[in-house]
Amino acid sequence: SYVLTQPPSVSVAPGQTARITCGGSNIGRKSVHWYQQRPGQAPVVVVYDDNDRPSGIPERFSGSNSGNTATLTISRVEAGDEADYYCQVWDNSGDIFGGGTKLTVL
Amino acid sequence: QVQLQESGPGLVKPSETLSLTCSVSRGSVYSSSYYWAWIRQPPGKGLEWIGTIYYTGSASYNPSLRSRVTISVDTSKNQFSLNLRSVTAADTAVYYCARRGTIAPQSWFDPWGQGTLVTVSS
Repeated sequence: SYVLTQPPSVSVAPGQTARITCGGSNIGRKSVHWYQQRPGQAPVVVVYDDNDRPSGIPERFSGSNSGNTATLTISRVEAGDEADYYCQVWDNSGDIFGGGTKLTVL
Repeated sequence: QVQLQESGPGLVKPSETLSLTCSVSRGSVYSSSYYWAWIRQPPGKGLEWIGTIYYTGSASYNPSLRSRVTISVDTSKNQFSLNLRSVTAADTAVYYCARRGTIAPQSWFDPWGQGTLVTVSS
């Protein structure tokens, strides 16, 4: 079955850029979606189809996807961005989520 | 904006069946444009897709759960439901219902319900 690998944690200072990776075999051939989950809340999509943003999501959130790695980039990080982030793809066997990355804003 | 709300028992005994319902408001499950899904999250862990259903009743399931799961849709009540049989403590989780963003199978989940915690314990 298809596996998505994320780093357990990423730390960044306010105002800096955070990059969260999602690794998978030839993931560049798939559409990757990213979710933000704050404590006690349901996930919210912040990037879909590799690099599109839903309305209401700041431009600071962007995505890229090539080869075996997809990346969620958060520019000018704010304290409110501290959350868990999950990548997701669809495979022939169904939907797959990465293990999640906890973003800590120092 | 469509809204989803999960409901059902918060406590289920081992070996019994977990049953949850997702009520859809400001939208219709009787739509050819979307799929509807169940996703769960054990405490302190990541997200796991359980299964997806179309308004016709056609469903797909996570291979790891397929033998124990049934997802159904009731268009007259604008709801869809999850049954998970023979539960164990490993099935303790927050259960979310969600809608796919588009009809495409590879599309994202949006929106999600608020989630409901189901604990499996005697």
